[in-house]
Amino acid sequence: EIVLTQSPGTLSLSPGETATLSCRASQTVYTTHLAWYQQKPGQAPRLLIYGTSNRATGVPDRFTGSGSGTDFTLTISRVEPGDFAVYFCQQYGGSPPYTFGQGTRVDIQ
Amino acid sequence: EVQLVDSGGRVVRPGESLRLSCAASGFTFDDYAMSWVRQAPGAGPEWVSTISWNGGSTSYTDSVKGRFSTSRDNAKNSVFLQMNRLRVEDTAVYYCARVNYYSNFEYWGQGTLVAVSS
Repeated sequence: EIVLTQSPGTLSLSPGETATLSCRASQTVYTTHLAWYQQKPGQAPRLLIYGTSNRATGVPDRFTGSGSGTDFTLTISRVEPGDFAVYFCQQYGGSPPYTFGQGTRVDIQ
Repeated sequence: EVQLVDSGGRVVRPGESLRLSCAASGFTFDDYAMSWVRQAPGAGPEWVSTISWNGGSTSYTDSVKGRFSTSRDNAKNSVFLQMNRLRVEDTAVYYCARVNYYSNFEYWGQGTLVAVSS
């Protein structure tokens, strides 16, 4: 099973700043199968990025995914009040299980 | 508009059974695999199961193998999760989700709460 480790656990930022979130895998991940989700309190997760770098429908271009191998990054430029949430990475290695990281919380400083 | 509506969650005792349902609309249901993903209070999401577009293939996380079973009815645009021999550690919000070509969870239901407590 591929374990995903996200860092930092919490990121405190002011609106307008840039957030850099890391997702490190215990072994090589297919770039086509690495995704990022945003979750706000009381809501289901929302797919933001799929295939490492492709934005889902309706996701603003302030959200950028990158990476390969075992290291992946979600960058949020010019953070807005609506971006304060928990972010999870997720991978599928060609066979089950699908796994998620433990999450990074982006808080208002 | 894609919609997934989860239902069936409630409070149950350890060892009891429960069946969750997910009603889909707004897309061609039998074009997609579907999954169940759960999230315990304060924790990250955990994949539970996936069923192929025609129901011919299913997969489960190890902790539910032999206890949970996923099925679908393409005529009714619905997917189900039969949960038997429930344990306290199965307590979570359960979401159904549509799986995209990249094996990511593209759309999610609103979730239904399953609480297992004596």
